Amino acid sequence: QVQLVQSGAEVKKPGASVKVSCKASGYTFSDYYLHWVRQAPGQGLEWLGRIAPSSGTTNYAQKFQGRVTMTRETSIGTVYMELTGLTSDDTSVYYCARRRQPPFLAFDLWGQGTTVIVSS
Amino acid sequence: EIVLTQSPGTLSLSPGERATLSCRASQSLSSTYLAWYQQRPGQAPRLLIYGASTRATGIPDRFTGGGSGTDFTLTISTLEPEDFAVYYCQHYGTSQGFTFGQGSKLEIK
Repeated sequence: QVQLVQSGAEVKKPGASVKVSCKASGYTFSDYYLHWVRQAPGQGLEWLGRIAPSSGTTNYAQKFQGRVTMTRETSIGTVYMELTGLTSDDTSVYYCARRRQPPFLAFDLWGQGTTVIVSS
Repeated sequence: EIVLTQSPGTLSLSPGERATLSCRASQSLSSTYLAWYQQRPGQAPRLLIYGASTRATGIPDRFTGGGSGTDFTLTISTLEPEDFAVYYCQHYGTSQGFTFGQGSKLEIK
C-alpha cells in the first residue's frame, strides 16, 4: 500500500525543538521528492520545504531558513523535519507530502499529519 | 512573489447544485504548476486537479479545473454530500517554492 506514515503528536515548550518523522512505503523511496506543509488551527496551508531522498539535497522556504532542517534515512525509507526555536506560532499540524514527478508539480500523497503544540 | 486569492471565502449550496470556485493570481503563472486540493475536516488535503485541468487518479469527473494566466476555476458539476469541504489552490514558483490560496469553504445550505 502506497502511504506516508508520520510520527505521533508532540507537546513542546517555547524555545524547544521538535523532530517529526515520515515513513514512506509502497513505492520507490528515492524516486519522489518529499515536502513538508503545515496548517495552524483553523488556518490555511503553508509550505516549509522539501528534501530529495536520493541525494539528501534540501530547499527551504525563506521564512524557515535557519530554523528548519530536513534529513532522510534511506535504509528505512524515512524523512525527518526538525524545527528549532519553537514559539506558539508554530502550533500546527505538520504534513509530509510526496510531490508528483515533473512537469506537473503537485502533492499526490500525504501523510496523516502530526500535531505539534507549543505551550508553556 | 505570486499571491493566490481564492473566492468566495465561503459558498453555501445544496447537494445537486453546481459550485464554481475561483483562484486569482497576482501575476500570470504557468498552468503546469497550478493544482487544487480538497480538505475535509480532520483529514489531510487530497489532490484533485494538477496542471490546472487534469484530474488526479480516482477523482470523479464532476470535478473540472480550468483557466489560464491569472484566473483559474474549480467547478463541481453536481454536488454530492461528501464534496462539502475546504478547497485550496496551489502554485509552484521557482523563486518562492509552493504557495497556497487561503482556501474556500463549501458548506451545505
